[in-house]
Amino acid sequence: DAGVIQSPRHEVTEMGQEVTLRCKPISGHNSLFWYRQTMMRGLELLIYFNNNVPIDDSGMPEDRFSAKMPNASFSTLKIQPSEPRDSAVYFCASRQGLRSLHFGNGTRLTVT
Amino acid sequence: DQQVKQNSPSLSVQEGRISILNCDYTNSMFDYFLWYKKYPAEGPTFLISISSIKDKNEDGRFTVFLNKSAKHLSLHIVPSQPGDSAVYFCAASARTGANNLFFGTGTRLTVIP
Repeated sequence: DAGVIQSPRHEVTEMGQEVTLRCKPISGHNSLFWYRQTMMRGLELLIYFNNNVPIDDSGMPEDRFSAKMPNASFSTLKIQPSEPRDSAVYFCASRQGLRSLHFGNGTRLTVT
Repeated sequence: DQQVKQNSPSLSVQEGRISILNCDYTNSMFDYFLWYKKYPAEGPTFLISISSIKDKNEDGRFTVFLNKSAKHLSLHIVPSQPGDSAVYFCAASARTGANNLFFGTGTRLTVIP
């Protein structure tokens, strides 16, 4: 089991550019979560999917953020346009049923 | 507004001694609590959990204590080992397995050999 796979590991971009973060959940897991980690707020839930359907996106900070899960093995988190305050580590996590979350290694985003 | 608070950003402990990490929460609806451990450049990994029907849960060197009246929980690591050096996140939810886990900001534990 390769675990949750996120790409890229690091992303540096200029303000105004589009950023796309990618996630491959663990095979067989039916829920997928996107979290953002900052020093001030810790880990914040942005959105989660259940069986590829977005269930709760109330944590998405603005309309600049969007997420998709076209199939059970792939999800994207897009920021368009990006701003310096979006700089953070973005984690994807998955789980089967009500079991504990399995996190990927994260994408460190820097927007200059 | 942080519903789960870890007021100590860092903690240093000598190897072999006890590490105590603290966590406070504000939402009285929370009834399931978890601790996650995070190494640099890795994602958090589940460590231990406790339901509100208990006040203690133990797993090897790790014990979590819950004080519902004080809305406080703590993680005890005994004895502490250098490999325990990591960031520890406290998390809470309104029911077991609930999708919305509220995390604290983390405490960086350093165990000194």
